[in-house]
Amino acid sequence: GAVVSQHPSWVICKSGTSVKIECRSLDFQATTMFWYRQFPKQSLMLMATSNEGSKATYEQGVEKDKFLINHASLTLSTLTVTSAHPEDSSFYICSASPGQGSREKLFFGSGTQLSVL
Amino acid sequence: GEDVEQSLFLSVREGDSSVINCTYTDSSSTYLYWYKQEPGAGLQLLTYIFSNMDMKQDQRLTVLLNKKDKHLSLRIADTQTGDSAIYFCAEEGGSYIPTFGRGTSLIVHP
Repeated sequence: GAVVSQHPSWVICKSGTSVKIECRSLDFQATTMFWYRQFPKQSLMLMATSNEGSKATYEQGVEKDKFLINHASLTLSTLTVTSAHPEDSSFYICSASPGQGSREKLFFGSGTQLSVL
Repeated sequence: GEDVEQSLFLSVREGDSSVINCTYTDSSSTYLYWYKQEPGAGLQLLTYIFSNMDMKQDQRLTVLLNKKDKHLSLRIADTQTGDSAIYFCAEEGGSYIPTFGRGTSLIVHP
């Protein structure tokens, strides 16, 4: 089946540094990718929708300058957490879709555990 | 607004059936999904049901939908230890972006 690769799986960083997380679709072209944040015992919270070649659409309450998203190609989207602080520590998951309307074909990465010291 | 509710924990004995329940509020939901998340991993789509169906069966999995009560359930027959995971219910009302519940931790013990 289709695979979405997310890297790194975990990262520990100092407060004030920036962290980049990559999401790649390995065997299909993803016109749309989604970034989620998950707190322990909580659901996935959609942060933003990333569209190839255009600006990402952020959900209400998500700071676009804090969470920079770049979807430069049909197989790669990146999420950069800028000037990370301890409250940004969380599990971040991406998902990718071959195209709008592919409801069943939403594939998820394995997630990135971010710990900010 | 959209809201998806599910209980946080379920414990069953190996070999028994598991039933995970979910309620949602969006009456315009078109598709309803069940996802499985194993520790440290992303979500895996288990099954989904279209809103004009009331049941869908796929091997050990049975999904029941009561659209009137906005209630969705997932039954896992002959539950195995490998089924231990967090199960997320999700609904989508045409935006192509699912809204997830908080997840139910299924614990399977011998």
